[in-house]
Amino acid sequence: SQQGEEDPQALSIQEGENATMNCSYKTSINNLQWYRQNSGRGLVHLILIRSNEREKHSGRLRVTLDTSKKSSSLLITASRAADTASYFCATITRPDSNYQLIWGAGTKLIIKP
Amino acid sequence: DSGVTQTPKHLITATGQRVTLRCSPRSGDLSVYWYQQSLDQGLQFLIQYYNGEERAKGNILERFSAQQFPDLHSELNLSSLELGDSALYFCASSVAPGPVDEQFFGPGTRLTVL
Repeated sequence: SQQGEEDPQALSIQEGENATMNCSYKTSINNLQWYRQNSGRGLVHLILIRSNEREKHSGRLRVTLDTSKKSSSLLITASRAADTASYFCATITRPDSNYQLIWGAGTKLIIKP
Repeated sequence: DSGVTQTPKHLITATGQRVTLRCSPRSGDLSVYWYQQSLDQGLQFLIQYYNGEERAKGNILERFSAQQFPDLHSELNLSSLELGDSALYFCASSVAPGPVDEQFFGPGTRLTVL
């Protein structure tokens, strides 16, 4: 399987609930980034977490990184209808010109009103 | 609005043809990345340019090529098109020479090969 795999593939929750998505990867990384994509549109950057960081927050978003398990999670608290989108993680293996930049297939999140 | 522009928005062409996709990065950004997104799939990184020079290659086919011009806009050329090349093509830009900071994505070009 490929580096940067998200699970679940799809998630449907009620507005106001929390949503958790996971990303697993296989090789050592320099950083991991989460992006959101509304249907058919360009991606929007959410959070970047570096390999020496364990947790980052941005508003209602919380990202954790566990390098020993090679996994990251994205938590969206108090979800809103506007959070309906696909969420992708991207892993970057090293910061120089020999990097690998690999995207997962994404988690499709649906927030039901 | 990310500040990254892509033209055209839509492109319909036939197998065997050649097309050129254009991207203008955000003001001040020196890096341009190209991605391919097939239907309901994640992104495939194709290639990156930094300040006019090719910086890194991903899964770019030999039929595809790109360049970045002195004014920093970039073009992705797709030739001998096949049905499987139908996809959304995104470019993204950033300040740094590598993917160590956030990327700003354009709205994409939807390519349909008939």
